[in-house]
This record gives sequence, C-alpha cells and structure tokens, in this order.
Amino acid sequence: ETGVTQTPRHLVMGMTNKKSLKCEQHLGHNAMYWYKQSAKKPLELMFVYSLEERVENNSVPSRFSPECPNSSHLFLHLHTLQPEDSALYLCASSQGVTQTASTEAFFGQGTRLTVV
Amino acid sequence: GQNIDQPTEMTATEGAIVQINCTYQTSGFNGLFWYQQHAGEAPTFLSYNVLDGLEEKGRFSSFLSRSKGYSYLLLKELQMKDSASYLCAVSREGGSYIPTFGRGTSLIVHP
Repeated sequence: ETGVTQTPRHLVMGMTNKKSLKCEQHLGHNAMYWYKQSAKKPLELMFVYSLEERVENNSVPSRFSPECPNSSHLFLHLHTLQPEDSALYLCASSQGVTQTASTEAFFGQGTRLTVV
Repeated sequence: GQNIDQPTEMTATEGAIVQINCTYQTSGFNGLFWYQQHAGEAPTFLSYNVLDGLEEKGRFSSFLSRSKGYSYLLLKELQMKDSASYLCAVSREGGSYIPTFGRGTSLIVHP
C-alpha cells in the first residue's frame, strides 16, 4: 500500500466510449502526476499538477483530458481513444516539484486500459 | 532533451551480486532515482542520488558520477524476490524536478 489509490484497476473500452480514471492520494502531497507505461517503452510523463495547477503537459493528444479538483484527487478523462492508447496508466504523487521539496514519487497500482 | 540508457535485461544467481548500470545525457541535471517495479505492481522508490558517490541502504546501494553521466544500482545477496524491473530516472535542474524514466532493466534471479 503506497498511499496512492487508482480506480478502476482494469478497463476495457471501445473507441467511441467516454470513461474516466481516478486517482486519490492520502499522503498530504501537493503534486500529482499521470504516467503512461507501454510494453518495451519507458514510463512516459503525461501531466503534472502542483497545488491543483497544471505545470507540465507533454504534448499529449486532446483525447486525454486531466482534471485536478483538489490536491488529493486527480482524474484522467478519456474519449475517442485509439487501440494504440492501450497501456498501463500510472498515477503518482510527491511532496512537490521544487528543489527543496522531496520529489520522491509514490505510485498507484495503475489502471490497465485496453481499447478495442 | 534527455537520453537515459540502461540494459534491457539481466540474469543473476540467487546469493550473488549484480550491478545495473544507467547512463544519461540531459540538459541540466539535478539528481537520479532508482525505482523497483514487480510485474503488475506499482514502481517503488529505492534511492535518489544528488551528489557523487555511493549510498548504501541494506542490500541495495546506488552510485552516481555527475561528471560521467553514470549511475549504477548494486544488489547484494540476491533473493528470488529481487526479480523485477529496475527503473533509472533523472530529474532536471530548474523548473520542475519531475523524474524522467529510462526503459528499465528486467532482472531475473534464478536458483
């Protein structure tokens, strides 16, 4: 148990569906992240929120839409995805994103997404 | 940009020592992380090196050379449960210190 909880653990969706991934952290952290993990590829950073403000967006297609309503919750809204978007989506949190804050990231278990 | 390189796969024997290397090239460098990820599980933090030298934590040690853009993770007295993927990640100086990950090294420990 890392203190970061993701739901659902598994999701199968069609290309025309709309779904959302949820992440919740109980660590009192100020920064939350979405990463994508595909087979044989590095963990890819998608979005970063610090104090509920988006601080990084790594050229992610608009079919992925993040939302951070407060420092404990992070969502990833999905719509009209493609089969190549099938991957493990990992949420993480850390104290912060500045040099003085600990940037050790605590990861959730991930959502295994399959787009059919 | 950043370029992080580590071997794809390594095998070792239970009880032995294994060293997993990571080299990086980055525009601005603050520190280097090592994470462990078992199949189907979340990555878990192992170490974070900012200064040159070796840091030891039980059976695991991590080394950093900033001038050479090089790090290694040393695992001693290997156990079967050490079979996992080991991820090297770099945090950039200035702006955000968010880790950028390499592809990971899959370590297989056999009896």
